[in-house]
Amino acid sequence: QTVVTQEPSFSVSPGGTVTLTCGLSSGSVSPSYYPSWYQHTPGQAPRTLIYTTNTRSSGVPDRFSASILGNKAALTITGAQADDESDYYCVLYMGGGIYVFGTGTKVTVL
Amino acid sequence: QVQLQESGPGLVKPSQTLSLTCTVSGDSISSGSSYWNWIRQPAGKGLEWIGRIYTGGSTSYNPSLKSRVTISVDTSKNQFSLKLSSVTAADTAMYYCAREVAAITGDFDYWGQGTLVTVSS
Repeated sequence: QTVVTQEPSFSVSPGGTVTLTCGLSSGSVSPSYYPSWYQHTPGQAPRTLIYTTNTRSSGVPDRFSASILGNKAALTITGAQADDESDYYCVLYMGGGIYVFGTGTKVTVL
Repeated sequence: QVQLQESGPGLVKPSQTLSLTCTVSGDSISSGSSYWNWIRQPAGKGLEWIGRIYTGGSTSYNPSLKSRVTISVDTSKNQFSLKLSSVTAADTAMYYCAREVAAITGDFDYWGQGTLVTVSS
C-alpha cells in the first residue's frame, strides 16, 4: 500500500518560515494527485488550508502557501504565528475515488 | 451554514459491527455535486480516510478497510452512514464525517466535530 510521508515534526521561531513536505513511498507527487493540506488542532475538526496543489481555502491567511517542490508537495508557512502551532496533514488523490492522508507533521512555534 | 453531526454508539464490542450516522444540515445530500466522506483518527495517530459516497450511491473505500466497510446514504433524512464490521481494538478512534465540496478537489470543507468510538469488551 502507498504510504504518504511527511516529516514527523518541525520547530519554527515566531516570525520565521517553515516548509513542510509530502512525498510518496514510491514515485513523485505531481498536480495529478491534487494535493491538499489540513491543519488539525486537537479537539477540533481539521481545517482545509490548501486544495488542488496551491489554492488557498476561503479565510486562510496568505502566510500559508503551497506548491510542488521537486518530487513532493510542499506547504510553506511564512511569518509563523503562535496559533500556527498544530498538526498538519497532506492528502493525495490516488485515483478511483481514493484518498490517502499523509503521516502528519507536528509544528511547534517557539 | 453547512453543519455535519456524527452520532452512534461510543462503545462497540470486538467482532461486532460499528455503525455511525452523519446528519447534514444546510446542504442537501441529494444536491448532486458533493461527496460525503468518513475519516478517522486513532488516539495518538494520524488521520485515515475511510471512504466516501456520492448521491447516486457510488462509493469508494480505503483498500485496507474495503472488505469491512459499507457507506450508505439516506436522502430522505439527509444522512449518510458508516458500517465497519468485525471490529478490533485497532478500530478505536475518533470518527469524523466530512463533505468534499466537489469531485477530486481534496477539499473537505465541512467536518463534523467527531465522535469517539471505543472497541472493548
